[in-house]
Amino acid sequence: KAGVTQTPRYLIKTRGQQVTLSCSPISGHRSVSWYQQTPGQGLQFLFEYFSETQRNKGNFPGRFSGRQFSNSRSEMNVSTLELGDSALYLCASSGQETQYFGPGTRLLVL
Amino acid sequence: AQSVSQHNHHVILSEAASLELGCNYSYGGTVNLFWYVQYPGQHLQLLLKYFSGDPLVKGIKGFEAEFIKSKFSFNLRKPSVQWSDTAEYFCAVYAGNNRKLIWGLGTSLAVNP
Repeated sequence: KAGVTQTPRYLIKTRGQQVTLSCSPISGHRSVSWYQQTPGQGLQFLFEYFSETQRNKGNFPGRFSGRQFSNSRSEMNVSTLELGDSALYLCASSGQETQYFGPGTRLLVL
Repeated sequence: AQSVSQHNHHVILSEAASLELGCNYSYGGTVNLFWYVQYPGQHLQLLLKYFSGDPLVKGIKGFEAEFIKSKFSFNLRKPSVQWSDTAEYFCAVYAGNNRKLIWGLGTSLAVNP
């Protein structure tokens, strides 16, 4: 099976802009989770989608949002970017209670 | 609140040394436990997991972990590390009915050749 794919892999934006990141899960997986990874903070949970519904949410501001499509592909959106949003954004798809990760999208906000 | 603690933030070893990375969690009920590894420039990969059964779990690349319920621990071990084991190691826990995977902050391992 193909693994989790994320696009784009790298992104440079400026403060105030918005960004949309995409994730395609492993075929057959219906759950997609998003994380923000920064040095020293580890993995911070953003949200989880299952069958197009948000099933769980972390403690991030409303500028961070997501959605999931009927084919299980997921997108996350960050509006009004701030310098502190610079991070590696990871997507994981779940199967049999185990999360499998994509390569991430590295976002740099200038 | 449920939490996962990884005691060692940075570990430096020489090749052939033995490795043990600590992981403790705070939850008294049923847990699913994971160790993930992130090699430099690569994505997070599953090393091993424990759901039930034999508390000594073997994973990829010679790693193993032992679940000790009484100590709320799931320590990762490898008898002899290699330079290629240089990576960041993360412990994670599913606790009870909480659908969130709770993560430790990670341990950075550097193995000197």
